[in-house]
Amino acid sequence: GQSLEQPSEVTAVEGAIVQINCTYQTSGFYGLSWYQQHDGGAPTFLSYNGLDGLEETGRFSSFLSRSDSYGYLLLQELQMKDSASYFCAVSRNSGNTPLVFGKGTRLSVIA
Amino acid sequence: DADVTQTPRNRITKTGKRIMLECSQTKGHDRMYWYRQDPGLGLQLIYYSFDVKDINKGEISDGYSVSRQAQAKFSLSLESAIPNQTALYFCATSDLRDTDTQYFGPGTRLTVL
Repeated sequence: GQSLEQPSEVTAVEGAIVQINCTYQTSGFYGLSWYQQHDGGAPTFLSYNGLDGLEETGRFSSFLSRSDSYGYLLLQELQMKDSASYFCAVSRNSGNTPLVFGKGTRLSVIA
Repeated sequence: DADVTQTPRNRITKTGKRIMLECSQTKGHDRMYWYRQDPGLGLQLIYYSFDVKDINKGEISDGYSVSRQAQAKFSLSLESAIPNQTALYFCATSDLRDTDTQYFGPGTRLTVL
């Protein structure tokens, strides 16, 4: 089987930096994705890591270490609108099986 | 117009009733998915379809069935609804060439009394 672990809740201050970790155990690992979901909304794609290293998209960065079965999402210059749930998801078997999602991390940004 | 639409957006029904949730997409994607979301449990895959003739069970398919009527349409049915099927249901699509990017519909909030 497969499993993903991420913290259930994180709280951070506006303007600060926060890191949301994701560890996984799965066969046929292919890549790690991150999705954002605001309350009452649908999940939206944020980033994908297929190779080790850091991918940067504006204030958001995502990191992957295949050897450690570990990744993280880094949010910089936090804004109140970043308060949301963040899900990591693993793809397997070259994308020929569906994504498996973690249970999500609820991020609360406080003033 | 939204690329992935779901109808209805909200539904309240009674135990034992048959319910159909519909999903349509204009993205031209071959792959479609149905997920269930309960608080604290993330997104659980119910069924998925990689093309019109392909239907596969996900991790929680018991009590559900699906129909892929066309490339653009994928419906989810609850043959005899029960209260523990009360949840938020999402449809999603992805392109064969970029399977890690899924596009979600707005969701259907289903309450079974």
